[in-house]
Amino acid sequence: AQSVAQPEDQVNVAEGNPLTVKCTYSVSGNPYLFWYVQYPNRGLQFLLKYITGDNLVKGSYGFEAEFNKSQTSFHLKKPSALVSDSALYFCAVRDMDTGRRALTFGSGTRLQVQP
Amino acid sequence: DAGVTQSPTHLIKTRGQQVTLRCSPKSGHDTVSWYQQALGQGPQFIFQYYEEEERQRGNFPDRFSGHQFPNYSSELNVNALLLGDSALYLCASSLPQLRWGYTFGSGTRLTVV
Repeated sequence: AQSVAQPEDQVNVAEGNPLTVKCTYSVSGNPYLFWYVQYPNRGLQFLLKYITGDNLVKGSYGFEAEFNKSQTSFHLKKPSALVSDSALYFCAVRDMDTGRRALTFGSGTRLQVQP
Repeated sequence: DAGVTQSPTHLIKTRGQQVTLRCSPKSGHDTVSWYQQALGQGPQFIFQYYEEEERQRGNFPDRFSGHQFPNYSSELNVNALLLGDSALYLCASSLPQLRWGYTFGSGTRLTVV
């Protein structure tokens, strides 16, 4: 079975400070990993993904994430937070090596950036 | 470049009724997946359609069914609605080659009263 854990329900950070949103995963084989952001009453917007290659993945709006296979983590980071980054963030995984086609999502982390 | 389009955006139904939700995938995408997002939770996989066939199904009862048309658009049908079916229903489209990722629509908010 595949699973995702987002251990923090909410992350608070001041504007201009760096931010980290944590994600750990569990899959039988190799993972495809994704980060999505959701604004109120909206669908999911794609931020970035890890398929293969460099462990540091750069995505939209200045976000990046680091794939760490030994720690089974894929934490989302941004060097300088903006108030407009305040939203709900979801990490998701799909097992690359099985026949499963579904994405499994974490429970989400609400990011609050204070001015 | 049109993204994923879902209709309607909001819907209110009564317990026991049936509902149909619609999804048009992103241009060039041929695979459609449906997810249910209950309030305060992450999306849960319902099923995926490719080449007009259901390819995989999540842990949802048979009251949930779907269809994919030759133009790749898709419908999600839910019969005998329960209060617990109230949720945001998200459609995601993709190509079989996963490296291109998934594109999600804005969802249909279903309220069962």
